[in-house]
Amino acid sequence: QQQVKQSPQSLIVQKGGISIINCAYENTAFDYFPWYQQFPGKGPALLIAIRPDVSEKKEGRFTISFNKSAKQFSLHIMDSQPGDSATYFCAATLEEYRSSNTGKLIFGQGTTLQVKP
Amino acid sequence: DTAVSQTPKYLVTQMGNDKSIKCEQNLGHDTMYWYKQDSKKFLKIMFSYNNKELIINETVPNRFSPKSPDKAHLNLHINSLELGDSAVYFCASSQGNLAGDTQYFGPGTRLTVL
Repeated sequence: QQQVKQSPQSLIVQKGGISIINCAYENTAFDYFPWYQQFPGKGPALLIAIRPDVSEKKEGRFTISFNKSAKQFSLHIMDSQPGDSATYFCAATLEEYRSSNTGKLIFGQGTTLQVKP
Repeated sequence: DTAVSQTPKYLVTQMGNDKSIKCEQNLGHDTMYWYKQDSKKFLKIMFSYNNKELIINETVPNRFSPKSPDKAHLNLHINSLELGDSAVYFCASSQGNLAGDTQYFGPGTRLTVL
């Protein structure tokens, strides 16, 4: 029940296209959903995050769509660029972790995105 | 001005050896973490420390022992290394220890056990 399932495992998109990565979770107590971006040879870095009280959050070309009833959320990258080529991880965390002050994130399996020029 | 730094970047060693990975953050954060990323890029938390106190200790073999001499440092010592320990190990830190606090990751240490 603590899993976050991410798909697809890999994605190839043409420059200028839309990249869509999906995540699903089971535990309805999850209440914070960040996305991390990892370039080869680097550590992950926070890209964008959402809480379940909103259905969408947009930052530049990156948008998170959140469907609480379906327990799904997705990352949309508009006008995808070769520089967006990286591995993307969705994550989730639980209220109990917040109250116990542990900051524990449950990560999805990752999606390797390649944007072709 | 590296925020979270790790040494070494690469570590190649024989089975059975003991090795350490060091981590330092200059962000003034209270919480630090160790993550393991396997060959399939799956990222899983191992440990978390808040102000030098162990907060999270996932199901990790007791051959792995974290040590936090101060809140800016979190080192990882691994005894009796096994082939399955080969992975990339990431250190991270966050301002506080709440779930919503952004975690800042180091560049990783690629451990190869031969």
